[in-house]
Amino acid sequence: AQKITQTQPGMFVQEKEAVTLDCTYDTSDQSYGLFWYKQPSSGEMIFLIYQGSYDEQNATEGRYSLNFQKARKSANLVISASQLGDSAMYFCAMITSGGYQKVTFGTGTKLQVIP
Amino acid sequence: DAGITQSPRHKVTETGTPVTLRCHQTENHRYMYWYRQDPGHGLRLIHYSYGVKDTDKGEVSDGYSVSRSKTEDFLLTLESATSSQTSVYFCAISGRQAGETQYFGPGTRLLVL
Repeated sequence: AQKITQTQPGMFVQEKEAVTLDCTYDTSDQSYGLFWYKQPSSGEMIFLIYQGSYDEQNATEGRYSLNFQKARKSANLVISASQLGDSAMYFCAMITSGGYQKVTFGTGTKLQVIP
Repeated sequence: DAGITQSPRHKVTETGTPVTLRCHQTENHRYMYWYRQDPGHGLRLIHYSYGVKDTDKGEVSDGYSVSRSKTEDFLLTLESATSSQTSVYFCAISGRQAGETQYFGPGTRLLVL
């Protein structure tokens, strides 16, 4: 069975500082993908970043980077230079690509950026 | 942005009535998904589709059925709505290759009284 664990229900970060949101996963599949999504208070789900299990380099997208440690089964999201607009819920998710896609989401981390 | 719309965006209904939510995409993507989002649970997969008339159950499928008669439309039906089905429902799509990113619709807020 697949499982995503986000152990930080809520976090605070000072504006312009970096913050790491934790995500650990569990799967027996060898091929999988890991995602992070942002959900602001308006409710939409916004795709941030993707890491494939066979990717050797950590994914980066602008101020977002994914710290992928395969042996530890962790896929932490790092946001550099936090902005007030980064205040939102953040969800980690995993998809396995063996045959039909199965997706599992974590319970989310609420990030609040303090001016 | 991926072309995904959901209708209705908000709905209030009574216990025991049938409800159908519609997801429409303009991306010609193969995979479509229905999730529900509840506090403390994140997003949970209800049903998904891997092609026209090809669907399968997710982790919380009881009380829900789906249909996909065209690539662009994926319907979620609550056969007899219950208060426990009050939730926010998201549709998502992903591309032609397995493991591709999922893009989400705007969501439907459903209240069952």
